[in-house]
Amino acid sequence: AQSVTQPDIHITVSEGASLELRCNYSYGATPYLFWYVQSPGQGLQLLLKYFSGDTLVQGIKGFEAEFKRSQSSFNLRKPSVHWSDAAEYFCAVGADNNAGNMLTFGGGTRLMVKP
Amino acid sequence: EPEVTQTPSHQVTQMGQEVILRCVPISNHLYFYWYRQILGQKVEFLVSFYNNEISEKSEIFDDQFSVERPDGSNFTLKIRSTKLEDSAMYFCASTRFGNEAFFGQGTRLTVV
Repeated sequence: AQSVTQPDIHITVSEGASLELRCNYSYGATPYLFWYVQSPGQGLQLLLKYFSGDTLVQGIKGFEAEFKRSQSSFNLRKPSVHWSDAAEYFCAVGADNNAGNMLTFGGGTRLMVKP
Repeated sequence: EPEVTQTPSHQVTQMGQEVILRCVPISNHLYFYWYRQILGQKVEFLVSFYNNEISEKSEIFDDQFSVERPDGSNFTLKIRSTKLEDSAMYFCASTRFGNEAFFGQGTRLTVV
């Protein structure tokens, strides 16, 4: 069965500092990987996804993530954090790209941004 | 930009009552999902729906739960007899080809 671990429950960074949120997954085949962001009172917004090809993927809001098969990781990065990035971030792995594709989510990382 | 719409945003119900959570997926999407997030816990998959039938469901999705697409636009989740432990945020999602899921804003269900 697939699983996702986000080791950091909370992270605090200063505005303008760089950010890396960790995600490790377990899945038998080639995974489909996603990062979602949830602002307070909001739904889940897709930041970026990896299906195949280039292992460094670019997303919205200046985020990027790198798929490293050898480390079973898909860490999310941003070079300079803005106060509006404060939110909860979820990494997810998808099953095969067919009917009934279900996402398995990590526990989330809550990001706080200091002025 | 098209979006998934969920109503109501917050529902309070008494234990044992039936509730129906409603979702309007993106219009040309073909796959529909319900997920839930109990406060402080992970987002968990409940069920997926394709071609007017359930294609996959989790252990959580027992006989108390049902889904329906009654009119070609709405997608509903019914809980027949709510329990305290059903209190959670319920998210509807849809995709066109079963890959990138678009989520609604969620319905917070509180069972008292």
